[in-house]
Amino acid sequence: DTAVSQTPKYLVTQMGNDKSIKCEQNLGHDTMYWYKQDSKKFLKIMFSYNNKELIINETVPNRFSPKSPDKAHLNLHINSLELGDSAVYFCASSLLAGEETQYFGPGTRLLVL
Amino acid sequence: AQKITQTQPGMFVQEKEAVTLDCTYDTSDPSYGLFWYKQPSSGEMIFLIYQGSYDQQNATEGRYSLNFQKARKSANLVISASQLGDSAMYFCAMARSNDYKLSFGAGTTVTVRA
Repeated sequence: DTAVSQTPKYLVTQMGNDKSIKCEQNLGHDTMYWYKQDSKKFLKIMFSYNNKELIINETVPNRFSPKSPDKAHLNLHINSLELGDSAVYFCASSLLAGEETQYFGPGTRLLVL
Repeated sequence: AQKITQTQPGMFVQEKEAVTLDCTYDTSDPSYGLFWYKQPSSGEMIFLIYQGSYDQQNATEGRYSLNFQKARKSANLVISASQLGDSAMYFCAMARSNDYKLSFGAGTTVTVRA
């Protein structure tokens, strides 16, 4: 009974390809997030969604397009992958926004060759 | 923008000893939450402990405690009786009451020695 799940766990692809990462949470949370962890382990917010509505787009290139078909899912589609997109992408969810605890998925390790 | 500072890139601790991980933050908002997460070598992000800015008591969760000094804007994590499984990277994070994100520090790597 995984709380926040992501697929795939690993993604190796060529520059220029398009790929998607899926995220699902079974916690009944209203708010979901995508974070990027770079090679220096720094974590930075990319997108926040509340009840399927986009709240934050933190200066992410428009090659990244999140989609939330329902409150339990937040997928991330990346077009025209670049070398610099190589990172670990974490999905997270929280009951509400603000000071609510965020629970993270296992991460997707993306390597662009 | 909120700033979270973790000044210790890496620390070594002997098994069964306590270790304190430093975290300072910068915000002018009166209402916020402070969080610590653990990231072992397997890569997942594990929530450890939460402290609200209005909480009177320091938070504790098992062997984890948070030394919250509001006036100094610090939220240090104390791990007591360290175990080999505590070897990991630890992140301090903050969210204000109207935030839709966590702001993270750079992390501290803890290595527990037998």
